[in-house]
Parts: sequence; structure tokens; C-alpha cells
Amino acid sequence: KAGVTQTPRYLIKTRGQQVTLSCSPISGHRSVSWYQQTPGQGLQFLFEYFSETQRNKGNFPGRFSGRQFSNSRSEMNVSTLELGDSALYLCASSLVGQEMGPLHFGNGTRLTVT
Amino acid sequence: AQSVTQLDSHVSVSEGTPVLLRCNYSSSYSPSLFWYVQHPNKGLQLLLKYTSAATLVKGINGFEAEFKKSETSFHLTKPSAHMSDAAEYFCVVSFTGNQFYFGTGTSLTVIP
Repeated sequence: KAGVTQTPRYLIKTRGQQVTLSCSPISGHRSVSWYQQTPGQGLQFLFEYFSETQRNKGNFPGRFSGRQFSNSRSEMNVSTLELGDSALYLCASSLVGQEMGPLHFGNGTRLTVT
Repeated sequence: AQSVTQLDSHVSVSEGTPVLLRCNYSSSYSPSLFWYVQHPNKGLQLLLKYTSAATLVKGINGFEAEFKKSETSFHLTKPSAHMSDAAEYFCVVSFTGNQFYFGTGTSLTVIP
């Protein structure tokens, strides 16, 4: 089975721009979560989608948004980029309804904002 | 309130010696517990999970963890460290379905 795929692996953007990150979950997984990882803040939960609906949301500004498509693929968008948005963005998928977790992570998208 | 605490931000061990990475949680619910490992610029890989079956859980790469309800702990151990074990380790707790709480991570250094 293919794992969680995140594209692109690396991105360099300028302050004020917007960016879209993509995540393809493991086949059959219906839950997709997004996390931001920085050296200072560690892993922070952004949001979780299930069946195209946002089910949980972390404490991030409205510039961070996401969506999930009918095939469970998910995208995350960050508008009006700030220097502090530089981070590794991780996507994780999981089966829902069988047990609590586990999460299966992709290798992440490294976003650098200059 | 639910939370998870990794007691050590950095651990250094010599190659061939035991590894102990500590994790405590607080919750009024019965949790599911996980340990993940992250190598540089990679995503997190599941090492092992506890979901209310046996309290001693064996994972990949020789790691194991013991769930101790009375101590609200889920410490990760390995009898003999290898150089390839050097990485960041995260204790993760789930209390209610698909909401996951991450510890702040423990960086493991293995000294040759």
C-alpha cells in the first residue's frame, strides 16, 4: 500500500504570497490531519478533515485553511505568508471508526518564507 | 484536562547501552498511546501503540513500552542502542477518537 504522499517536498515563497500544499492519504483512510512543526513550537495541530468536513481545528489564524476532496485528498492553503510560517508541514491520515489511531505521516513539505 | 509530558528534551546514551525515554499523561479517560520516531527532514514513523490490550507493547526496531495506569506513564525502552536510533521521539496520546496530543519530543543522541 502506498504511504501518505505530500507535494511538493520543498517550497520557497516570499512574504505576502500564498501557498497551497497537497496531501494524498493512504488508500481507504478518511481522516486527514495537518500539523506545523517548528524548532521553537514543536508539533502543532492545524486541522483535521473527515469526509470533506473540517472536524477539528487548532489555534491558528484564519490565514490557514484547508479542504478535503471526495477522494480524501486534502489541500492546505496559507495566505499572506509571514516569515514565521516557515516550517515543516506534516500531513497524517488515519482510519476512522476502528480504533483510535494510529496516524500515518507523510514526509512533509518544507516551507521557507523569505 | 488532557495532556502529555515528555520528561526529557534530550537523552544521550552510548551505543550498546539501554535507552529510556519517559512519557507521562494526564486524563480522566482511558487513552490510546503511541510512540513515534522522526529522523531529520522526515515525517513521523510509528514505533508502537497501546490500545487497552497488553500493557507491555512491543514495537519495531527492538523498542517496547509499558503502560502503567497507576503511574499514568508510557515509557519507551530499548535494551541496546544502535547508532541508527539517533532521532527525535514523540509520545502521542489520543483520548477521544481522532484527537491526538503530542509531547514536545525527546532528542536521542547515541554516542559511538
